[in-house]
Amino acid sequence: AQKITQTQPGMFVQEKEAVTLDCTYDTSDQSYGLFWYKQPSSGEMIFLIYQGSYDEQNATEGRYSLNFQKARKSANLVISASQLGDSAMYFCAMRGPNFGNEKLTFGTGTRLTIIP
Amino acid sequence: SAVISQKPSRDICQRGTSLTIQCQVDSQVTMMFWYRQQPGQSLTLIATANQGSEATYESGFVIDKFPISRPNLTFSTLTVSNMSPEDSSIYLCSAVLWGQGDYGYTFGSGTRLTVV
Repeated sequence: AQKITQTQPGMFVQEKEAVTLDCTYDTSDQSYGLFWYKQPSSGEMIFLIYQGSYDEQNATEGRYSLNFQKARKSANLVISASQLGDSAMYFCAMRGPNFGNEKLTFGTGTRLTIIP
Repeated sequence: SAVISQKPSRDICQRGTSLTIQCQVDSQVTMMFWYRQQPGQSLTLIATANQGSEATYESGFVIDKFPISRPNLTFSTLTVSNMSPEDSSIYLCSAVLWGQGDYGYTFGSGTRLTVV
């Protein structure tokens, strides 16, 4: 069974500073995918970044980057130059191999608050 | 990319009644998922809905409480039956369409349900 662990229930960060949100995972699959989503108070799920298990390079999407350490089974999200609009819940999620295990398993989330 | 229209966006319901949530996808998709997010919690998968077959429910969720329909490849409904205040949650649908969405995944905007 797949499991995602996010050990930071809440974080407070000064505006313009960088922040790292931790995510560790457990799976016996060789092929898997890791996602980060942002959920503002409106409840929608906003996709941020994706890392495939066979991707050799760390994923980057604008101010978001994923620090992927496969041997340690960690996939931390790094947000550079944080903004007030980054205040939200952040979820790490995993999917299994394609074709048969497409459901996502989510971590418990981290509530990020950016302080002006 | 695929877009999911989810209705209603929010509702306040009396205990003992039922609410049906609809998700319409603008593309044909094979798999759709229904998630529940209780207040302050993570997303928990309720069931996987495939067209032409019965939905597959996760442990702790039963068809009598959460009946799901999937009449075609673009539409699904989730009914929350005989509601109690413990059913107050955000309900989200998701669809998998490889090559579209965010690495195959698209989420509806969510239904915020309050049971009084």
